[in-house]
Amino acid sequence: NAGVTQTPKFQVLKTGQSMTLQCAQDMNHEYMSWYRQDPGMGLRLIHYSVGAGITDQGEVPNGYNVSRSTTEDFPLRLLSAAPSQTSVYFCASSPMGLTWETQYFGPGTRLLVL
Amino acid sequence: QQQVKQSPQSLIVQKGGIPIINCAYENTAFDYFPWYQQFPGKGPALLIAIRPDVSEKKEGRFTISFNKSAKQFSLHIMDSQPGDSATYFCAASSEDSSYKLIFGSGTRLLVRP
Repeated sequence: NAGVTQTPKFQVLKTGQSMTLQCAQDMNHEYMSWYRQDPGMGLRLIHYSVGAGITDQGEVPNGYNVSRSTTEDFPLRLLSAAPSQTSVYFCASSPMGLTWETQYFGPGTRLLVL
Repeated sequence: QQQVKQSPQSLIVQKGGIPIINCAYENTAFDYFPWYQQFPGKGPALLIAIRPDVSEKKEGRFTISFNKSAKQFSLHIMDSQPGDSATYFCAASSEDSSYKLIFGSGTRLLVRP
């Protein structure tokens, strides 16, 4: 199993550009989520999904869109990038059924918005 | 409003020392408290977790102590090693929060040889 994979590893954008961060998992996990990590602020939940076709907002959803057309993939879209979106983005997945299921994180995407 | 408060922000210990990282929470509905370990350039990985029906859990050199009445929990690393140098995050979630993890702000641990 490759686990959770994310692409690209690193991206530089100009203000106003759009892009999609890719996330895929091969563990047949129902739950997937996106976090952003900023210094001194831990990880903050952006959006999450409890299954194909179902998504919901987390703590910091503004400026981001998601969709979940398959169990495996959960892309994160930045519609119009802003410098405040400079961050490290992590995708995670876990099985459903129990609150205490382990969340498996991908290696992250470093995004710099100029 | 920060629902999970973590301290200290950074910690330096000598090899063999016992670093202690503390977290406090506000939401009494939280019923799952994991600790994640993150090495530079990597994603976080689950280290150890506890549920509020026990006051302590040990896995190898890592121990979680849990105080339900004080709404606090802490991570102790026994006989710390340079390889334990990483950032540690506490987190919490509840069954009625759709599996969402609320993370603390993180503690950067350096274990000197």
